[in-house]
Amino acid sequence: DSGVTQTPKHLITATGQRVTLRCSPRSGDLSVYWYQQSLDQGLQFLIQYYNGEERAKGNILERFSAQQFPDLHSELNLSSLELGDSALYFCASSVVGGVVPDTQYFGPGTRLTVL
Amino acid sequence: AQSVTQLDSQVPVFEEAPVELRCNYSSSVSVYLFWYVQYPNQGLQLLLKYLSGSTLVKGINGFEAEFNKSQTSFHLRKPSVHISDTAEYFCAVKDTGRRALTFGSGTRLQVQP
Repeated sequence: DSGVTQTPKHLITATGQRVTLRCSPRSGDLSVYWYQQSLDQGLQFLIQYYNGEERAKGNILERFSAQQFPDLHSELNLSSLELGDSALYFCASSVVGGVVPDTQYFGPGTRLTVL
Repeated sequence: AQSVTQLDSQVPVFEEAPVELRCNYSSSVSVYLFWYVQYPNQGLQLLLKYLSGSTLVKGINGFEAEFNKSQTSFHLRKPSVHISDTAEYFCAVKDTGRRALTFGSGTRLQVQP
């Protein structure tokens, strides 16, 4: 158990809908990262937050957004969903998340299926 | 830009045999390197990492990896595998200017009795 929790574990929805994925980092970790794992794209970095502020952006679509709240939990919002958004979405957390790497601890993931 | 190539998508091996999972990276600056393991229906777990210093890095579960700067490689090895090592293994790189990891496509290790 990494200490990172993600809810829900599974999510099934229809095209055009909007969903919210939730992540609680390990106690004491200030940085949260979101990754998408799909069969065709592999594991890709989406976005990072540090203590409530956006720190780095990866291959995140404009239809996707994220935020980190004062209690440090984070939410990833996916809107206007398409079939291709079906994937496993991971959250990871680390203590700082600066340019010198500290270990990222991954949650169990949320499996999103868009029908 | 940084990138990671895992040359083998699947590696079948018999129990108690040695194994090497290959990883090559590309980056124009200094890098930090990682190996993660993903067991079925679970998240990723850090096996080991290279930040600096000794090029031979030892990790959990008996795994080790060697950083070779001239060959831009970071191959993962284990002298004797167990059935429980069956999983997907991901190599990842983070260069000194970035905050996020870039992952390879993964290698599925299948340990057979």
